[in-house]
Amino acid sequence: DAGITQSPRHKVTETGTPVTLRCHQTENHRYMYWYRQDPGHGLRLIHYSYGVKDTDKGEVSDGYSVSRSKTEDFLLTLESATSSQTSVYFCAISERGGELFFGEGSRLTVL
Amino acid sequence: QQQVKQSPQSLIVQKGGISIINCAYENTAFDYFPWYQQFPGKGPALLIAIRPDVSEKKEGRFTISFNKSAKQFSLHIMDSQPGDSATYFCAASRGNKAAGNKLTFGGGTRVLVKP
Repeated sequence: DAGITQSPRHKVTETGTPVTLRCHQTENHRYMYWYRQDPGHGLRLIHYSYGVKDTDKGEVSDGYSVSRSKTEDFLLTLESATSSQTSVYFCAISERGGELFFGEGSRLTVL
Repeated sequence: QQQVKQSPQSLIVQKGGISIINCAYENTAFDYFPWYQQFPGKGPALLIAIRPDVSEKKEGRFTISFNKSAKQFSLHIMDSQPGDSATYFCAASRGNKAAGNKLTFGGGTRVLVKP
């Protein structure tokens, strides 16, 4: 299995609070991605990174920000969580833009 | 708008039967079409992938059929086994891999193989 660790794996929070999800990799892959998974929608790209401090938006980026200060870490932040952001969040990594390897997910519930 | 549409949402097949999942895409710039398999509580994992220069690719019991003119591709699972019970996602992406492989996923199909 690819060395990807997501934390926390489960989190319950209240509307309006900030939340940060962490993705840590040990593969030294260049590309990192954050997806959210919702029933009927498959996985939708939130943000991605193509290098340290190089990030860009995906198709559902509103309400999310990311940071990548080190190759191994990619952080996803919800500045003010809303109930619509209740979801399962997956981090993925790839090398040379090839196959994506996914982490085991972080389940976030916003009450 | 959903650029990759997947059907059916769920299917039940008997052990030994054939599972067929279909996907249709809109963006003609897509040039990479993978299928991912996901078990409960796990992240998706690459199962098989195809590029548009071939019409079919087979790996073991799994086959992708690709129809470029119709902008459709499908996954066939032959001799389905209970261990194949999972959710399957089709996906697509386009060139410019310098920007990473930004996959657009279909909505997923939950497959249940009955023993």
